[in-house]
Amino acid sequence: GENVEQHPSTLSVQEGDSAVIKCTYSDSASNYFPWYKQELGKRPQLIIDIRSNVGEKKDQRIAVTLNKTAKHFSLHITETQPEDSAVYFCAASPYTGGGNKLTFGTGTQLKVEL
Amino acid sequence: DTAVSQTPKYLVTQMGNDKSIKCEQNLGHDTMYWYKQDSKKFLKIMFSYNNKELIINETVPNRFSPKSPDKAHLNLHINSLELGDSAVYFCASGGHSGNTIYFGEGSWLTVV
Repeated sequence: GENVEQHPSTLSVQEGDSAVIKCTYSDSASNYFPWYKQELGKRPQLIIDIRSNVGEKKDQRIAVTLNKTAKHFSLHITETQPEDSAVYFCAASPYTGGGNKLTFGTGTQLKVEL
Repeated sequence: DTAVSQTPKYLVTQMGNDKSIKCEQNLGHDTMYWYKQDSKKFLKIMFSYNNKELIINETVPNRFSPKSPDKAHLNLHINSLELGDSAVYFCASGGHSGNTIYFGEGSWLTVV
């Protein structure tokens, strides 16, 4: 089955700096890579996703890159703000013919300090 | 008009009891899921139903039994609860493979 590794487990940055979270996956059949943000006591919420036919996607301060050859994908947050503080999860899913079978990384606790 | 709603939000129960968590989605999705988040925040899929049909069944003890009366509902029944079942259980729904999955607010289960 799929195995997703995520690094770092904790990340502390100063407000305004950039933050980068990296993930690797094992199953070459995976073709959908979402990123979720989870605030304390809340549900995971999708912030951006990328599919295997695209190498990069950007949405305002958030961008995701995908290297299918190396089985790497990364989340980039620019101009970080205190409200970006949360746990971020990467995930990977192969096509199953039905629903997504998301395998999640172990999460990155991002702390944006004033 | 919450898209994915689950009840109860908090559940404290004794070992050995049987409990159920209910989930409903109003997004018109064909697929619903149950995920478990443990104390270390690790999120793991348990089950997935597509149009009332079980399509993903991970290595979950058979004390856990999902039931989908229709494609808008997916309930989770847990028999003979154990201390290790304490976790947050998230219901989710989504379209076909490759489409966004939306999570419910979670059900905090504590077994004492």
